[in-house]
Amino acid sequence: DAKTTQPNSMESNEEEPVHLPCNHSTISGTDYIHWYRQLPSQGPEYVIHGLTSNVNNRMASLAIAEDRKSSTLILHRATLRDAAVYYCILRGYGGSQGNLIFGKGTKLSVKP
Amino acid sequence: GAVVSQHPSWVICKSGTSVKIECRSLDFQATTMFWYRQFPKQSLMLMATSNEGSKATYEQGVEKDKFLINHASLTLSTLTVTSAHPEDSSFYICSARDTRVPAGEQFFGPGTRLTVL
Repeated sequence: DAKTTQPNSMESNEEEPVHLPCNHSTISGTDYIHWYRQLPSQGPEYVIHGLTSNVNNRMASLAIAEDRKSSTLILHRATLRDAAVYYCILRGYGGSQGNLIFGKGTKLSVKP
Repeated sequence: GAVVSQHPSWVICKSGTSVKIECRSLDFQATTMFWYRQFPKQSLMLMATSNEGSKATYEQGVEKDKFLINHASLTLSTLTVTSAHPEDSSFYICSARDTRVPAGEQFFGPGTRLTVL
């Protein structure tokens, strides 16, 4: 079972920032927080991941709460190509704990 | 990022036939490969995990005799859907990771659309 909770859908305007929330209140100390996104009829694409500290890369930023029970994926300037389903996934270590189990994700719509 | 390819990208077959889907990691060694299935408007469901040279581990409810997985090398895994039926029509996605890399990224293929008539 997925161990994260995300809103079913969100809307954004083009060129505006988007904050996608994720709750993971049962996260364990060794769980990494991963974000993937999936465009229609494509395989998922890695976005970003982190453990405790905030992370930045060319695609997005990941803000992790101090207690690690929630995190936020930040797209700084949404484009039409960012319209996708975004999945927040916890990944642990060892055996099946290392498997990526997908929840329902958040469907992001971007309006021009 | 690393690339994972799948072949074919789509396939249509008759009920009762078998279909093989290939998954390749193109620029890294995939010690572990994963197979997912996705029905329309649903999320990805993990079917099985395979380590190179070992038997696959299937998730609960997935028939191992129907979905044959072979992971014979560090760059190739195959999924064979045996005696396919219309209910097996789905989007099959493979994924690969080098588990020797701590917290390594997991990369996904583009998916294979299977339609069983």
